[in-house]
Amino acid sequence: GESVGLHLPTLSVQEGDNSIINCAYSNSASDYFIWYKQESGKGPQFIIDIRSNMDKRQGQRVTVLLNKTVKHLSLQIAATQPGDSAVYFCAENKGDDKIIFGKGTRLHILP
Amino acid sequence: AAGVIQSPRHLIKEKRETATLKCYPIPRHDTVYWYQQGPGQDPQFLISFYEKMQSDKGSIPDRFSAQQFSDYHSELNMSSLELGDSALYFCASSLRHSEQFFGPGTRLTVL
Repeated sequence: GESVGLHLPTLSVQEGDNSIINCAYSNSASDYFIWYKQESGKGPQFIIDIRSNMDKRQGQRVTVLLNKTVKHLSLQIAATQPGDSAVYFCAENKGDDKIIFGKGTRLHILP
Repeated sequence: AAGVIQSPRHLIKEKRETATLKCYPIPRHDTVYWYQQGPGQDPQFLISFYEKMQSDKGSIPDRFSAQQFSDYHSELNMSSLELGDSALYFCASSLRHSEQFFGPGTRLTVL
């Protein structure tokens, strides 16, 4: 069965505000998570990843937080821009390189 | 930088016909993955190949087969097409156990 999932199907955020997209997983043995961005008509694009030996990882304008106690991870996008409009997937790489995607969250940027 | 190439980008077939989707990985990548994404759904892993050998198998129907050739390109063969096969088919490539890079996808429509 599915091991990752998202809390909300759609998120609307004012341009310039921070966005937070949440994800829950069920398998406590899961140890490698990836966030993908998928724009309309394109393939998923790697944003950031995190392993279970970390609880936070930062990239350019993005931060991923991992809470292993409650099996929850989040993607934070700072100063959201129109180009951030997309569907965001949390995913798990199960060690054999097979990526299991969760349900996506569509991020809408309000002007 | 070179990306994953998929062809064709769009394909329309009738029920019970066959289709062949092609994937050309990023140069020097030795691993290819196929994913299926139905309308409004998350991508589902189908099958992967490493060094021309099948390395993992997901929810791929028996009507589908795939292979990786000596030049590392891969083909997904789909027979006895059904309406439910209409989807986006993504190929991704990577170096073994490294980040997967997704292609733009082939949109298959079965009428």
